Amino acid sequence: GQQLNQSPQSMFIQEGEDVSMNCTSSSIFNTWLWYKQDPGEGPVLLIALYKAGELTSNGRLTAQFGITRKDSFLNISASIPSDVGIYFCAGLSDKLIFGTGTRLQVFP
Amino acid sequence: NAGVMQNPRHLVRRRGQEARLRCSPMKGHSHVYWYRQLPEEGLKFMVYLQKENIIDESGMPKERFSAEFPKEGPSILRIQQVVRGDSAAYFCASSPDPVRYGYTFGSGTRLTVV
Repeated sequence: GQQLNQSPQSMFIQEGEDVSMNCTSSSIFNTWLWYKQDPGEGPVLLIALYKAGELTSNGRLTAQFGITRKDSFLNISASIPSDVGIYFCAGLSDKLIFGTGTRLQVFP
Repeated sequence: NAGVMQNPRHLVRRRGQEARLRCSPMKGHSHVYWYRQLPEEGLKFMVYLQKENIIDESGMPKERFSAEFPKEGPSILRIQQVVRGDSAAYFCASSPDPVRYGYTFGSGTRLTVV
């Protein structure tokens, strides 16, 4: 079946640092989404990517949709404590398939 | 416009009982999806419904699990004769048009089977 692998699995960074995480797939997707999940809550949409090669920003977040449509990255600049959480990539075909997640810890 | 509403937030059931999880999609959203999340794992697709129709149930176990989205009222995920392995967080998502708008998720129902 379709699988999305995220790396790294977890990150421990200091406040103010930049963060980069990746997502790769065995299948092509036409739409890539990045979600953030806080403890005890559902995922919240951060960025949506619709075209191969597309680079999209949302405040301190930047994401790119890979040319092959099989990968994407998410960058967070100047991290702050509230960035803590689990970040999921998701590929949309006939349904949304989630990645394995990257757990982010930010230390003051 | 309230978000996707799920209830209850927490549900405790003894082995063998039935669990009913409810999801009210956002107004105007006709696409409803159910996902399951085990601790420390990602969300796994279970079922996709549009009003009164099951579109894709490929992620749902064949036995004990069922889902519906009636013409009136919330979508219901029903688990009969629960077992300990059913303990998980169950998330509902809705969308007016998944390709254009993606999915909006509810806060989930955490099911604990004791």
